[in-house]
Amino acid sequence: DGGITQSPKYLFRKEGQNVTLSCEQNLNHDAMYWYRQDPGQGLRLIYYSQIVNDFQKGDIAEGYSVSREKKESFPLTVTSAQKNPTAFYLCASSSINSGGPYGYTFGSGTRLTVV
Amino acid sequence: AQRVTQPEKLLSVFKGAPVELKCNYSYSGSPELFWYVQYSRQRLQLLLRHISRESIKGFTADLNKGETSFHLKEPFAQEEDSAMYYCAPHSGGGADGLTFGKGTHLIIQP
Repeated sequence: DGGITQSPKYLFRKEGQNVTLSCEQNLNHDAMYWYRQDPGQGLRLIYYSQIVNDFQKGDIAEGYSVSREKKESFPLTVTSAQKNPTAFYLCASSSINSGGPYGYTFGSGTRLTVV
Repeated sequence: AQRVTQPEKLLSVFKGAPVELKCNYSYSGSPELFWYVQYSRQRLQLLLRHISRESIKGFTADLNKGETSFHLKEPFAQEEDSAMYYCAPHSGGGADGLTFGKGTHLIIQP
């Protein structure tokens, strides 16, 4: 698995608990992203970050939080406020140029199940 | 609002037949356009992007600004082309996140 690593691959959470999903990249990419993938819904953007110590909400940020303390790392916390957290979570990174991203490199994903 | 539509959830064709996966977008300005592919048990990966006009594995995509479409085409489908395909326009001007279509599941029958 070169470039971008997500862990764990599978995660089980009890209702009411917060969990943190890890995403690390060694591609020297400035931008990192979190998406949620549900059947029939495609990919929906949760949060993204263009530089260290800065991040923006995506389309479905409610119930999630992130941090970007290092360029290489962009962890996602799924809080107890997220009403339907069971999903497949994808992390991605990209380089930035004036014309937008060159395209994303994706991690292998984390499947979160609330039990 | 930015929108991208992939009208077909599922597309099934026979091996050797031509394939066209449709993508329509509603964006202001001139977006950059991407197609991503996810093969079974593999990561989502970039298939092609409009600006580079590349052709990968026989796939091409033409931007039609009049129809605001970016359909993906393959003249002779192979069984290994079976996968989920996502269209993703980007409005440019930074890295503020791609908006993905809901995807089309392409099945190539032998």
